[in-house]
Amino acid sequence: DVKVTQSSRYLVKRTGEKVFLECVQDMDHENMFWYRQDPGLGLRLIYFSYDVKMKEKGDIPEGYSVSREKKERFSLILESASTNQTSMYLCASSLYLSSATNEKLFFGSGTQLSVL
Amino acid sequence: DQQVKQNSPSLSVQEGRISILNCDYTNSMFDYFLWYKKYPAEGPTFLISISSIKDKNEDGRFTVFLNKSAKHLSLHIVPSQPGDSAVYFCAAIGGSQGNLIFGKGTKLSVKP
Repeated sequence: DVKVTQSSRYLVKRTGEKVFLECVQDMDHENMFWYRQDPGLGLRLIYFSYDVKMKEKGDIPEGYSVSREKKERFSLILESASTNQTSMYLCASSLYLSSATNEKLFFGSGTQLSVL
Repeated sequence: DQQVKQNSPSLSVQEGRISILNCDYTNSMFDYFLWYKKYPAEGPTFLISISSIKDKNEDGRFTVFLNKSAKHLSLHIVPSQPGDSAVYFCAAIGGSQGNLIFGKGTKLSVKP
């Protein structure tokens, strides 16, 4: 079974700190994603990557950056954490998603980040 | 503008009864739909999917129905169990949309 591992389940940081969220997948997936989940707002895409060293902005990239130096690892960086970045952060990976491939997106367990 | 809508934020059902979760979409190019279940403090897990060439897909207690003309899909859970209590997300992909588009979720509570 595909395993997507996020390095921390819970994190507490101070406003202004630089925060790194790490994600590793073990199934050689090309595609990796970072979402945040907030009550009433669903899953919102922050950044995604279709290949090593490649990154694309999602719907809410402001205040975030990403790094993908190796295929299996996708890092989310909060350059200067703010209280409105308190959220559940979810990493996901997949092969090419389409009705033809019948593939699915696999999620990690999530990191609950609190910025004080 | 939301392309995938789950208009019911919450649903409460008695154990043993049927749960019906609804999802509407606006993009007629979507051709692949997925449902995910999420427990608190955990990542979403895949539940069931359906391609636009089908109108029904079944997996145990879970059935997804797709009505392309109405741009509507629904997830049926029969019989509902207390362990089904979770947030359910509908997602779609297709056309020029290269990433999954998620709805905002419906919180299902199954009462014993």
